[in-house]
This record gives sequence, structure tokens and C-alpha cells, in this order.
Amino acid sequence: AQSVSQHNHHVILSEAASLELGCNYSYGGTVNLFWYVQYPGQHLQLLLKYFSGDPLVKGIKGFEAEFIKSKFSFNLRKPSVQWSDTAEYFCAVNSGGATNKLIFGTGTLLAVQP
Amino acid sequence: GAGVSQSPSNKVTEKGKDVELRCDPISGHTALYWYRQSLGQGLEFLIYFQGNSAPDKSGLPSDRFSAERTGGSVSTLTIQRTQQEDSAVYLCASSLNRANNEQFFGPGTRLTVL
Repeated sequence: AQSVSQHNHHVILSEAASLELGCNYSYGGTVNLFWYVQYPGQHLQLLLKYFSGDPLVKGIKGFEAEFIKSKFSFNLRKPSVQWSDTAEYFCAVNSGGATNKLIFGTGTLLAVQP
Repeated sequence: GAGVSQSPSNKVTEKGKDVELRCDPISGHTALYWYRQSLGQGLEFLIYFQGNSAPDKSGLPSDRFSAERTGGSVSTLTIQRTQQEDSAVYLCASSLNRANNEQFFGPGTRLTVL
């Protein structure tokens, strides 16, 4: 069965620090990969997605992620975080198929200190 | 345009009572998904609708859970004889169609079973 692992459950950074959140998935076939963000009191929003092509994907608010097929990874990065990036971040995968349902990681809570 | 809406935003009920949760997807979106977000379990898929049919109900945790969709639009998730372990945030998402992978999430319904 597909699964997604996020290794960092809680990350605390100071403003301007660089961010990298790990995401590994288990699935041997073609996958579509996503990072969603949930700001405090708000609903899940899509940050970025990878379907095919260039493995380095750029999303909103300066975030990017790199798909490394050999490592089954899709890590999220941002060179310089801001206080407003404080949120919970979820990595997700789907394999297409009959439903396109998303399999989520357990989430990483990021706190950025001003 | 309007996003996915869900009602109620909060629901407190007593153990053993039935509850209905409503989802209004984005207009024109044929695919609709229900997920559950709970402490310790993360985000879990419950059920998928394409139009009014549900080809994938594999995530429903028990036969106390059911869902329907009418007119290819509004969906209702019903939980019968609620239990304390049903307490969670129930999220609805929609996408343009099954082949389009980007799912747009609603704000969720927070269910508390006393």
C-alpha cells in the first residue's frame, strides 16, 4: 500500500533561516506529488505539485520542491522563511488510478520566530 | 469564485446520536472527496464520488458511516450512532474531474462527540 512519511513533526526556525522539510513515499509506479499548507485557522491550500517533467517544482510564496525518483523523495524547501510561513505542511501522493485519492503524510508543524 | 463550503463548521453531539455533515463543492467539479483529520491519525481518505456515484468507499471506517451525493453537486456524510473516536475534522475536497489531480479543500467540519 502507498504511504507517505514526513520525518520532521515539529520544526522551529528563526526568520530568514532556510527550510527543508522531508517527504518520502512508498510506491513503485507513477506518482503525482503534492505539498499542501494549512495556516492557523484556515483550510488546506495547495503549495505546489509535481506530475511530470522538470523534477524541481516551484510553488507559491517562494516554496519549491525537488522530486528525486531514486530516493522516493519530494522535499520542500524555502531559502528564507518568514513569520507568516508558520503553518502545518502536508506532503501527499496519489497514483491516479480509479480515484486519485490523496495519501497524506502526518504533517510538519512549522513555527517561525520573529 | 466560491470555493468548497462545508456546514456546519462545528458540531457537538452526544455519543449515540446521528450527525449529518454537508459539502458544497466548487460549481462544475465532478469529483468529490471526503477526508478525516484526527489527532494521531493525520489526514485519511474516506470516500470518493464521481458525479453521484461512489466508486471508492474504501476509507469509510465502519458501516455507521455513509455518504451520498445528489445532482452531481452537494454531498452529505452521515455518521450514525456516533462514538467518541469519531471526533475529528471532516474535510471535503473537489476537483474538476477525476483526471485533474488538483483537489480544492473546504474549511472542514469539526465534530466533537461527548
